[in-house]
Amino acid sequence: DTEVTQTPKHLVMGMTNKKSLKCEQHMGHRAMYWYKQKAKKPPELMFVYSYEKLSINESVPSRFSPECPNSSLLNLHLHALQPEDSALYLCASSQGPTDRGTQYFGPGTRLTVL
Amino acid sequence: AQSVTQPDIHITVSEGASLELRCNYSYGATPYLFWYVQSPGQGLQLLLKYFSGDTLVQGIKGFEAEFKRSQSSFNLRKPSVHWSDAAEYFCAVGPLTQGGSEKLVFGKGTKLTVNP
Repeated sequence: DTEVTQTPKHLVMGMTNKKSLKCEQHMGHRAMYWYKQKAKKPPELMFVYSYEKLSINESVPSRFSPECPNSSLLNLHLHALQPEDSALYLCASSQGPTDRGTQYFGPGTRLTVL
Repeated sequence: AQSVTQPDIHITVSEGASLELRCNYSYGATPYLFWYVQSPGQGLQLLLKYFSGDTLVQGIKGFEAEFKRSQSSFNLRKPSVHWSDAAEYFCAVGPLTQGGSEKLVFGKGTKLTVNP
């Protein structure tokens, strides 16, 4: 089973709202990723957690705050977003070197910021 | 620097025709190569991957890809395209190690349209 789940599927929020995206995997993977994807573009890496610790932050604005409460769960907390933050947010997980860094993606959350 | 080039932004084929999507990479060592497919509004699905060994790899949905080191290429092929193959296809190379974690570098994607 290579399933990564994400909730919600769609989210509409105002610029003053606080919301969270959730990602879950039960494959025992040690690394989890957040990506942002704009239309007609490849996924753009935001954050990587390895063994529940933040290992990569690709200079993402502080209005995006990741959290990894346990090895199966990854959250992305959103606050004071801008309309240009509207995008598809993808979560992925990986076993790491034992699977050559192969990443398995969830279905994504479509975020609209008004 | 590591990079992936997908020369074709958009390809249109007729249903039942053969397909080849091109991918060229730049990587300093032995690369790990991946093809992902993305249907509109969906996540990325892994089609196949190459690490080592046989340079022709088989994937899901009848796709295959061939690694050619001399040409730095990893082209994706399918002998007979189905309408359901219409999607965006991404080639990726890795691993890039940063902060103790591995990243992938993605190409810009090729959009496949299938005509009935």
